Amino acid sequence: QQPVQSPQAVILREGEDAVINCSSSKALYSVHWYRQKHGEAPVFLMILLKGGEQKGHEKISASFNEKKQQSSLYLTASQLSYSGTYFCGTGRIQGAQKLVFGQGTRLTINP
Amino acid sequence: DADVTQTPRNRITKTGKRIMLECSQTKGHDRMYWYRQDPGLGLRLIYYSFDVKDINKGEISDGYSVSRQAQAKFSLSLESAIPNQTALYFCATSAAGASQPQHFGDGTRLSIL
Repeated sequence: QQPVQSPQAVILREGEDAVINCSSSKALYSVHWYRQKHGEAPVFLMILLKGGEQKGHEKISASFNEKKQQSSLYLTASQLSYSGTYFCGTGRIQGAQKLVFGQGTRLTINP
Repeated sequence: DADVTQTPRNRITKTGKRIMLECSQTKGHDRMYWYRQDPGLGLRLIYYSFDVKDINKGEISDGYSVSRQAQAKFSLSLESAIPNQTALYFCATSAAGASQPQHFGDGTRLSIL
């Protein structure tokens, strides 16, 4: 079953913060986050595994609450380059690597 | 050169035609995937393969078939194309393990008239 991302779209000014959520109705083992620029391939951001570890990548970080089957992506002090569509991909079984992706969240950063 | 190469990049064809989309990779990964992307629906898994002898259906395999010719090559076929198969198709690869990311090709934009 497809995870649900919220919000579907968000518009920010450069320097503002954003949070993108990914929720599943099923128990999860892993959550992957990807960013896709218009007309390009999705690009990997980070993976979170069962255990609640929070990860960071420059000003982009994420958390995973496996009890709530939710993950959140945090973008701090957003830059123009952060614009794009963000997808979460959820994995239910350890080692399976078969992902189900959410519908995406479109993030627009304006100067 | 790209690590994951998809050919063709664009294709326009007619209803009923047989079409093959090809994917090759130089990353040495065992696992390969085919996804379809439609606006507002995200990426949906069509087929995946964890090694040359392992082929599995994904969420939306009806109307599609695949062939894993070698570790580095994974082809997607539409035996008789129909207009609602018009979409952007991505191939991806990964190493084994839940902590391994998927690496996507640049996509094939397919239009069926």
